[in-house]
Amino acid sequence: QVQLVESGGGVVQPGRSLRLSCEASGFTISNYGMHWVRQAPGKGLEWVAIIWYDGDIKKYADSVKGRFTISRDNSKNTLYLQMNSLRAEDTAVYSCVRGGSYCSGGSCYKFDYWGQGTLVAVSS
Amino acid sequence: QSALTQPASVSGSPGQSITISCTGSSSDVGGYNYVSWYQQHPGKALKLMISDVSDRPSGVSNRFSGSKSGNTASLTISGLQAEDEADYYCSSYTRTSSLVFGGGTRLTVL
Repeated sequence: QVQLVESGGGVVQPGRSLRLSCEASGFTISNYGMHWVRQAPGKGLEWVAIIWYDGDIKKYADSVKGRFTISRDNSKNTLYLQMNSLRAEDTAVYSCVRGGSYCSGGSCYKFDYWGQGTLVAVSS
Repeated sequence: QSALTQPASVSGSPGQSITISCTGSSSDVGGYNYVSWYQQHPGKALKLMISDVSDRPSGVSNRFSGSKSGNTASLTISGLQAEDEADYYCSSYTRTSSLVFGGGTRLTVL
């Protein structure tokens, strides 16, 4: 069955970096648009980034553009989120999410499987 | 991109129908038929209930339905059941090729 397991979260000081991983099983990530979504404590959901199934197109929320990079390793069926220049407002649970298969445009943005998430806390 | 506007809470009695609204703009909800609705029980992962405004994924009860008028999308749950008590989130594709979520609505079954 489909599973998404995130790792790599933790406590980090402002300005430092962290890399999150999401190991997928039960499907091939290169066939799907894959996303990161975060939820700050007591707050709502915020979409962070997408990598299209072809791997060529990546989009980011304005709040993380230029600081975060989404990538994947097809051989490991694993999705990544490299987070640089972290800020206190980046504190959240980060979840790996599966979007549409062989999708384009808006069809990539409906999510059928979510991981349980990994907590990132940015604090001095 | 501002979050979509949802009521913080709604409630209803078993058997009744309730509707949750999700208001955006012409740059998101009003401009595309890519509105989705998700259900979240405490401590659980989100579950897709409606996609593309009104499509119901396989396995989702037909008591759940979605619609859209202008810049406002709606989720209607008919024949309310105790198990429907959860948080509900809407989302919409945007003109900047991003996604925006609503703030979430807590549904209480009285």
